[in-house]
Amino acid sequence: DQQVKQNSPSLSVQEGRISILNCDYTNSMFDYFLWYKKYPAEGPTFLISISSIKDKNEDGRFTVFLNKSAKHLSLHIVPSQPGDSAVYFCAAYSNYQLIWGAGTKLIIKP
Amino acid sequence: DGGITQSPKYLFRKEGQNVTLSCEQNLNHDAMYWYRQDPGQGLRLIYYSQIVNDFQKGDIAEGYSVSREKKESFPLTVTSAQKNPTAFYLCASSRRGGYNEQFFGPGTRLTVL
Repeated sequence: DQQVKQNSPSLSVQEGRISILNCDYTNSMFDYFLWYKKYPAEGPTFLISISSIKDKNEDGRFTVFLNKSAKHLSLHIVPSQPGDSAVYFCAAYSNYQLIWGAGTKLIIKP
Repeated sequence: DGGITQSPKYLFRKEGQNVTLSCEQNLNHDAMYWYRQDPGQGLRLIYYSQIVNDFQKGDIAEGYSVSREKKESFPLTVTSAQKNPTAFYLCASSRRGGYNEQFFGPGTRLTVL
């Protein structure tokens, strides 16, 4: 059973517009979440994280929102740039191990 | 520059052979991890180690073995018992305890022929 779900395998967004990537989780005990970005044939790189005591965390063009009652988080990228084209993974900490979603491939169109 | 190195980038082996994937870090991290990624799936944890000479099985440890004799090194052996070894293998490290960011190596693509 998938405890962290990214239901959109891919997303296409116009350059300069907002990209919104979504993630749902099933375990209400998860209390720390991270977003990673991954290019093909490379390791993931950390983007941004959020603790369950917050509902928003911002870092430059990247903002993560957490809705605990809905068990949902989202990553907003504004404005989207060509270099943002990659696969984005949502992950949650459980017993000091990361549980990963399947990823969403973001394509930024010129 | 601090970081994690994995070698080789691409590895080919014949079915039935054991193969060892290398992972070295110079970030002075206590914790190290091995993940496997298959197409269309998230990362799945194979083994992790929080400290030298200690390691724990992850979700998919069957057919794999590890050692942690040095803080900097965490090699993974894919044995002939692993039914579907062809995959992209990722090594990561982090500070121990708490909710720490994991840093990843570039990965090794293993193809078993």
